Amino acid sequence: GIQVEQSPPDLILQEGANSTLRCNFSDSVNNLQWFHQNPWGQLINLFYIPSGTKQNGRLSATTVATERYSLLYISSSQTTDSGVYFCAVEKTGGKLIFGQGTELSVKP
Amino acid sequence: DTGVSQNPRHKITKRGQNVTFRCDPISEHNRLYWYRQTLGQGPEFLTYFQNEAQLEKSRLLSDRFSAERPKGSFSTLEIQRTEQGDSAMYLCASSQGHGVGQPQHFGDGTRLSIL
Repeated sequence: GIQVEQSPPDLILQEGANSTLRCNFSDSVNNLQWFHQNPWGQLINLFYIPSGTKQNGRLSATTVATERYSLLYISSSQTTDSGVYFCAVEKTGGKLIFGQGTELSVKP
Repeated sequence: DTGVSQNPRHKITKRGQNVTFRCDPISEHNRLYWYRQTLGQGPEFLTYFQNEAQLEKSRLLSDRFSAERPKGSFSTLEIQRTEQGDSAMYLCASSQGHGVGQPQHFGDGTRLSIL
């Protein structure tokens, strides 16, 4: 089946710093989503981005489908950005395959 | 905001007991998915429905697990004779169709703890 790899697995930032999270996937996909899981376990939709670039405030994402990777950019990080960031892809049938996540900790 | 709703939020039970979780999807969504997440891992697919039809089940879904969506609206996930290894967060998601243009939206999950 399709493999999804995220890097780095852990990241510690000082408040105000920028970061880039990466998601590699092993096959062509129909759908790619980025999620933020907060400390209470809630999975928050960040981006639906099977290809191209999108921006939402301090966050932006780029997916290069032909090269099978996606990047999530966080600028001017805040303590509330802490949590786990997941990339998930769908190839066929609708089910999402998740990566192992990047655990982000933003220090004040 | 009528997002995906899951009940209960937390469930603590003794090994061997049966438990049932409920998921109410976003009203116009015809697809409903169940996932399970254990500590330190990403969510893993369990099963999904299109309307009332259960279209796919993961091999993770042993015969102790059963899911239903009787009228194509809410869904229930039942675990019979619970085991320690069933302790996890159970997540429900819904979408309007699948494939290009149809993101999945997740509920807040039900956290199951087996004593």
